[in-house]
Amino acid sequence: GAVVSQHPSRVICKSGTSVKIECRSLDFQATTMFWYRQFPKQSLMLMATSNEGSKATYEQGVEKDKFLINHASLTLSTLTVTSAHPEDSSFYICSASASSPDTQYFGPGTRLTVL
Amino acid sequence: GEDVEQSLFLSVREGDSSVINCTYTDSSSTYLYWYKQEPGAGLQLLTYIFSNMDMKQDQRLTVLLNKKDKHLSLRIADTQTGDSAIYFCAESIRSNTGKLIFGQGTTLQVKP
Repeated sequence: GAVVSQHPSRVICKSGTSVKIECRSLDFQATTMFWYRQFPKQSLMLMATSNEGSKATYEQGVEKDKFLINHASLTLSTLTVTSAHPEDSSFYICSASASSPDTQYFGPGTRLTVL
Repeated sequence: GEDVEQSLFLSVREGDSSVINCTYTDSSSTYLYWYKQEPGAGLQLLTYIFSNMDMKQDQRLTVLLNKKDKHLSLRIADTQTGDSAIYFCAESIRSNTGKLIFGQGTTLQVKP
Protein backbone atom coordinates (compact mmCIF):
# COMPACT_ATOMS: atom_id res chain seq x y z
CA GLY A 1 0.00 0.00 0.00
CA ALA A 2 0.82 3.73 0.07
CA VAL A 3 2.00 4.06 -3.52
CA VAL A 4 2.60 7.44 -5.09
CA SER A 5 3.24 7.85 -8.80
CA GLN A 6 4.56 10.75 -10.83
CA HIS A 7 4.22 11.48 -14.50
CA PRO A 8 6.25 12.01 -16.54
CA SER A 9 9.38 10.44 -15.11
CA ARG A 10 11.58 12.48 -17.39
CA VAL A 11 10.93 15.54 -19.53
CA ILE A 12 13.09 17.70 -21.76
CA CYS A 13 11.70 21.02 -22.92
CA LYS A 14 12.80 24.23 -24.58
CA SER A 15 13.36 27.41 -22.63
CA GLY A 16 10.18 29.46 -22.32
CA THR A 17 7.74 26.57 -22.43
CA SER A 18 5.61 25.32 -19.53
CA VAL A 19 5.75 21.83 -18.13
CA LYS A 20 3.14 20.05 -16.02
CA ILE A 21 4.07 17.27 -13.61
CA GLU A 22 1.41 15.05 -12.07
CA CYS A 23 1.52 13.38 -8.69
CA ARG A 24 -1.02 10.69 -7.85
CA SER A 25 -1.71 8.65 -4.74
CA LEU A 26 -2.76 5.29 -6.13
CA ASP A 27 -4.21 3.45 -3.18
CA PHE A 28 -5.06 6.07 -0.61
CA GLN A 29 -6.59 9.49 -0.37
CA ALA A 30 -3.99 12.17 0.15
CA THR A 31 -5.25 15.10 2.13
CA THR A 32 -1.88 16.76 1.87
CA MET A 33 0.71 16.67 -0.89
CA PHE A 34 4.17 18.14 -0.89
CA TRP A 35 6.47 19.21 -3.69
CA TYR A 36 10.23 19.05 -3.32
CA ARG A 37 13.14 19.97 -5.49
CA GLN A 38 16.45 18.15 -5.44
CA PHE A 39 19.64 19.37 -7.09
CA PRO A 40 22.35 16.85 -7.99
CA LYS A 41 24.04 15.35 -4.95
CA GLN A 42 22.02 17.58 -2.65
CA SER A 43 19.18 17.18 -0.24
CA LEU A 44 15.49 17.76 -0.84
CA MET A 45 14.15 21.26 -0.46
CA LEU A 46 10.47 21.68 0.25
CA MET A 47 8.85 23.99 -2.29
CA ALA A 48 5.22 23.96 -1.23
CA THR A 49 2.51 22.16 0.66
CA SER A 50 -0.92 21.68 -0.84
CA ASN A 51 -4.15 20.58 0.74
CA GLU A 52 -7.00 19.33 -1.38
CA GLY A 53 -9.31 22.11 -2.42
CA SER A 54 -7.26 24.98 -1.07
CA LYS A 55 -4.37 27.14 -2.19
CA ALA A 56 -0.87 25.83 -1.78
CA THR A 57 1.45 27.19 0.89
CA TYR A 58 4.81 28.08 -0.61
CA GLU A 59 8.12 28.08 1.19
CA GLN A 60 10.12 31.26 1.41
CA GLY A 61 11.94 32.02 -1.82
CA VAL A 62 9.71 29.88 -4.04
CA GLU A 63 7.88 31.90 -6.70
CA LYS A 64 4.24 30.90 -6.65
CA ASP A 65 3.59 32.42 -10.06
CA LYS A 66 6.34 30.32 -11.57
CA PHE A 67 5.54 27.06 -9.85
CA LEU A 68 1.78 26.63 -10.05
CA ILE A 69 0.35 23.94 -7.83
CA ASN A 70 -3.14 22.53 -8.11
CA HIS A 71 -4.57 19.92 -5.76
CA ALA A 72 -7.95 19.35 -7.31
CA SER A 73 -8.75 15.96 -5.83
CA LEU A 74 -7.70 13.70 -2.99
CA THR A 75 -5.55 11.64 -5.33
CA LEU A 76 -4.02 14.18 -7.70
CA SER A 77 -1.79 17.21 -7.41
CA THR A 78 -0.05 18.94 -10.30
CA LEU A 79 3.00 21.18 -10.46
CA THR A 80 3.33 23.41 -13.50
CA VAL A 81 6.67 25.04 -14.15
CA THR A 82 5.77 28.11 -16.20
CA SER A 83 8.15 29.71 -18.70
CA ALA A 84 10.85 27.25 -17.78
CA HIS A 85 14.51 28.26 -17.93
CA PRO A 86 17.67 26.15 -17.74
CA GLU A 87 18.08 27.00 -14.04
CA ASP A 88 14.76 25.24 -13.40
CA SER A 89 16.36 21.97 -14.48
CA SER A 90 16.17 19.71 -11.46
CA PHE A 91 14.67 16.56 -9.98
CA TYR A 92 11.16 17.26 -8.71
CA ILE A 93 9.71 14.89 -6.15
CA CYS A 94 6.24 14.86 -4.68
CA SER A 95 5.02 13.19 -1.54
CA ALA A 96 1.60 12.51 -0.16
CA SER A 97 0.18 11.90 3.26
CA ALA A 98 -3.17 10.59 4.34
CA SER A 99 -4.70 11.36 7.69
CA SER A 100 -1.41 12.09 9.41
CA PRO A 101 0.90 14.56 7.65
CA ASP A 102 3.70 13.17 9.78
CA THR A 103 4.03 10.15 7.47
CA GLN A 104 4.79 10.99 3.87
CA TYR A 105 5.08 8.62 0.95
CA PHE A 106 7.24 9.78 -1.91
CA GLY A 107 6.82 9.51 -5.63
CA PRO A 108 9.64 8.31 -7.89
CA GLY A 109 10.50 11.82 -9.03
CA THR A 110 10.50 13.69 -12.34
CA ARG A 111 13.73 14.74 -14.02
CA LEU A 112 13.22 18.10 -15.76
CA THR A 113 15.80 19.32 -18.23
CA VAL A 114 15.30 22.74 -19.81
CA LEU A 115 17.40 23.41 -22.89
CA GLY B 1 17.29 27.66 12.81
CA GLU B 2 16.44 24.13 11.83
CA ASP B 3 19.35 22.09 10.57
CA VAL B 4 20.06 18.42 9.99
CA GLU B 5 23.61 17.20 9.42
CA GLN B 6 24.93 13.91 8.10
CA SER B 7 28.30 12.62 7.05
CA LEU B 8 28.43 12.41 3.28
CA PHE B 9 29.95 9.00 2.63
CA LEU B 10 30.31 5.57 4.21
CA SER B 11 31.95 2.49 2.75
CA VAL B 12 31.57 -0.99 4.21
CA ARG B 13 32.15 -4.57 3.16
CA GLU B 14 29.27 -6.91 2.43
CA GLY B 15 28.19 -8.69 5.59
CA ASP B 16 29.46 -5.97 7.94
CA SER B 17 27.20 -3.63 9.89
CA SER B 18 26.73 -0.05 8.70
CA VAL B 19 26.05 2.83 11.03
CA ILE B 20 24.85 6.10 9.55
CA ASN B 21 24.75 9.09 11.88
CA CYS B 22 22.67 12.23 11.91
CA THR B 23 22.47 15.27 14.17
CA TYR B 24 19.68 17.78 14.33
CA THR B 25 19.15 21.08 16.06
CA ASP B 26 15.42 21.45 16.65
CA SER B 27 14.53 20.03 20.06
CA SER B 28 10.82 20.21 19.27
CA SER B 29 11.08 17.46 16.63
CA THR B 30 8.19 15.04 16.90
CA TYR B 31 9.21 12.33 14.47
CA LEU B 32 12.57 11.46 12.97
CA TYR B 33 12.82 9.49 9.76
CA TRP B 34 15.22 7.50 7.66
CA TYR B 35 14.69 7.41 3.91
CA LYS B 36 16.57 5.48 1.23
CA GLN B 37 17.11 6.83 -2.29
CA GLU B 38 18.44 4.67 -5.09
CA PRO B 39 19.93 6.32 -8.20
CA GLY B 40 17.34 8.24 -10.23
CA ALA B 41 14.51 7.25 -7.92
CA GLY B 42 12.33 8.84 -5.28
CA LEU B 43 12.59 8.28 -1.56
CA GLN B 44 11.60 5.09 0.19
CA LEU B 45 10.58 5.38 3.82
CA LEU B 46 12.69 2.89 5.75
CA THR B 47 11.68 3.57 9.30
CA TYR B 48 10.80 6.35 11.71
CA ILE B 49 10.97 6.92 15.42
CA PHE B 50 8.84 9.04 17.67
CA SER B 51 10.80 11.58 19.68
CA ASN B 52 9.96 10.00 23.04
CA MET B 53 11.52 6.66 22.04
CA ASP B 54 15.16 5.65 22.46
CA MET B 55 15.33 2.74 20.08
CA LYS B 56 13.37 1.03 17.38
CA GLN B 57 14.27 -2.22 15.65
CA ASP B 58 12.81 -3.51 12.42
CA GLN B 59 14.47 -6.63 11.01
CA ARG B 60 17.99 -5.59 9.96
CA LEU B 61 17.43 -1.95 10.85
CA THR B 62 18.00 -0.45 14.28
CA VAL B 63 17.35 3.21 14.99
CA LEU B 64 18.87 4.83 18.06
CA LEU B 65 17.81 8.25 19.28
CA ASN B 66 19.72 10.29 21.84
CA LYS B 67 17.41 13.19 22.41
CA LYS B 68 19.75 14.92 24.86
CA ASP B 69 22.53 15.08 22.26
CA LYS B 70 20.07 15.42 19.35
CA HIS B 71 21.72 12.46 17.68
CA LEU B 72 20.05 9.84 15.51
CA SER B 73 21.65 6.76 14.03
CA LEU B 74 20.64 4.00 11.65
CA ARG B 75 22.34 0.64 11.94
CA ILE B 76 22.01 -1.84 9.10
CA ALA B 77 23.02 -5.35 10.09
CA ASP B 78 24.54 -7.77 7.58
CA THR B 79 24.82 -5.06 4.92
CA GLN B 80 24.20 -6.27 1.37
CA THR B 81 25.19 -4.80 -2.00
CA GLY B 82 21.51 -3.96 -2.53
CA ASP B 83 21.75 -1.60 0.43
CA SER B 84 24.03 0.70 -1.59
CA ALA B 85 22.10 3.96 -1.87
CA ILE B 86 21.82 7.42 -0.37
CA TYR B 87 20.27 7.54 3.08
CA PHE B 88 18.53 10.68 4.30
CA CYS B 89 17.52 11.45 7.81
CA ALA B 90 14.73 13.93 8.29
CA GLU B 91 12.95 15.56 11.17
CA SER B 92 9.35 16.61 11.41
CA ILE B 93 9.60 19.93 13.14
CA ARG B 94 5.99 20.79 13.73
CA SER B 95 3.51 18.04 14.36
CA ASN B 96 0.66 17.77 11.91
CA THR B 97 2.07 20.17 9.34
CA GLY B 98 4.13 17.58 7.52
CA LYS B 99 7.10 19.87 7.08
CA LEU B 100 10.27 17.80 6.96
CA ILE B 101 13.82 19.05 7.18
CA PHE B 102 16.25 16.72 5.42
CA GLY B 103 19.92 16.13 5.95
CA GLN B 104 22.31 16.19 3.01
CA GLY B 105 22.22 12.44 2.62
CA THR B 106 24.87 9.78 3.29
CA THR B 107 26.05 7.72 0.34
CA LEU B 108 26.52 4.12 1.47
CA GLN B 109 28.84 2.06 -0.69
CA VAL B 110 28.85 -1.68 -0.05
CA LYS B 111 31.84 -3.54 -1.42
CA PRO B 112 31.55 -7.25 -2.21
